[in-house]
Amino acid sequence: AQTVTQSQPEMSVQEAETVTLSCTYDTSESDYYLFWYKQPPSRQMILVIRQEAYKQQNATENRFSVNFQKAAKSFSLKISDSQLGDAAMYFCAYKAGSSNTGKLIFGQGTTLQVKP
Amino acid sequence: DTGVSQNPRHKITKRGQNVTFRCDPISEHNRLYWYRQTLGQGPEFLTYFQNEAQLEKSRLLSDRFSAERPKGSFSTLEIQRTEQGDSAMYLCASSRIAGGFREQFFGPGTRLTVL
Repeated sequence: AQTVTQSQPEMSVQEAETVTLSCTYDTSESDYYLFWYKQPPSRQMILVIRQEAYKQQNATENRFSVNFQKAAKSFSLKISDSQLGDAAMYFCAYKAGSSNTGKLIFGQGTTLQVKP
Repeated sequence: DTGVSQNPRHKITKRGQNVTFRCDPISEHNRLYWYRQTLGQGPEFLTYFQNEAQLEKSRLLSDRFSAERPKGSFSTLEIQRTEQGDSAMYLCASSRIAGGFREQFFGPGTRLTVL
């Protein structure tokens, strides 16, 4: 069974600084997708960034980038120039490429605090 | 595109009562998912629909849970004889393929508290 682990329950960062959130996963599949979702307090979850396992290049979306280490099954999220609006719970998620359902498997989440 | 909506946003009920939640997906999204999120945990998959067909159910979905999506539009999730362990946030998501990729868009969730 596939699993996703986020070992950092809470992280904090100073505004304008850089922070990295960690995620590891376990799968025997070769084709899969990895995601980072942001869940602000009392608001809906939104997709921050995604990575296709077959792509060697790390994904980037503006201030957000990932470090995808396929052999190590590691998928970390780097947030540069942190802003107060980045404060939220962040979830790492996995989707098997072979999955007909497209269901997501989530980690436990990391709460990010941004200090002014 | 008005986003995925869920009603009610909060529900408090007594143990043993039945509750029903509604999810309205983004129009033209043919897939609809239900997840459950307990405090301090990530969402867990419950079930999903492709149009009106319920194609997969998690083992988390006991016999007390039932979901429907009549006519492939909105969906309802009913919990019968609620238990305190059912207290959680119930999230709905919808998706369709765009640009060769299927992204799930989440609703704000329904928070259930069972007393």
